[in-house]
Amino acid sequence: AQSVSQHNHHVILSEAASLELGCNYSYGGTVNLFWYVQYPGQHLQLLLKYFSGDPLVKGIKGFEAEFIKSKFSFNLRKPSVQWSDTAEYFCAVNYDYGQNFVFGPGTRLSVLP
Amino acid sequence: EPEVTQTPSHQVTQMGQEVILRCVPISNHLYFYWYRQILGQKVEFLVSFYNNEISEKSEIFDDQFSVERPDGSNFTLKIRSTKLEDSAMYFCASRQEDYGYTFGSGTRLTVV
Repeated sequence: AQSVSQHNHHVILSEAASLELGCNYSYGGTVNLFWYVQYPGQHLQLLLKYFSGDPLVKGIKGFEAEFIKSKFSFNLRKPSVQWSDTAEYFCAVNYDYGQNFVFGPGTRLSVLP
Repeated sequence: EPEVTQTPSHQVTQMGQEVILRCVPISNHLYFYWYRQILGQKVEFLVSFYNNEISEKSEIFDDQFSVERPDGSNFTLKIRSTKLEDSAMYFCASRQEDYGYTFGSGTRLTVV
């Protein structure tokens, strides 16, 4: 079955710390990969996406993600987090150009000022 | 920047009642979706809609649910005979060909 896992349920960091959120997906077919962020009380917003080409993808707000096909992973990184990055982060996978996403369970990031 | 608009932002309904959640996708988008997020759980796919018909649906999307695009702008999700477990945040999304989904701000449905 298609599934997406995220390594951490809740991550707590201090401002200026580096961030890496793990995402792994099942299935070895063609995938499109996404990271979405949900700030408290707000809707899902696209951070970045990978379709093909350079496996290191840069998104908004200083985020980047690396697609490692051999590890079925698409980890999200940011070199220096800010308090405003406090949010829930969702990895999502679109399999074989299908219609829908499979979302991971989400990782809550709390950044302490 | 174009937005996907959802109304209402919060709907409270009694168990057994019917609700209609409304969405206005981005005007030149062709694919439309409904997802839901039960509190504390992950976002789940419900249904996708293209060319005026359902193109894919999940196990969650049973006979209780239906979608409609009644005119050129609205995309609705109807839930018949609501149950307590239907309480969730419902997100509408739309996209063009490039898989760049745009999500709406969601409708929080509370069934009491």
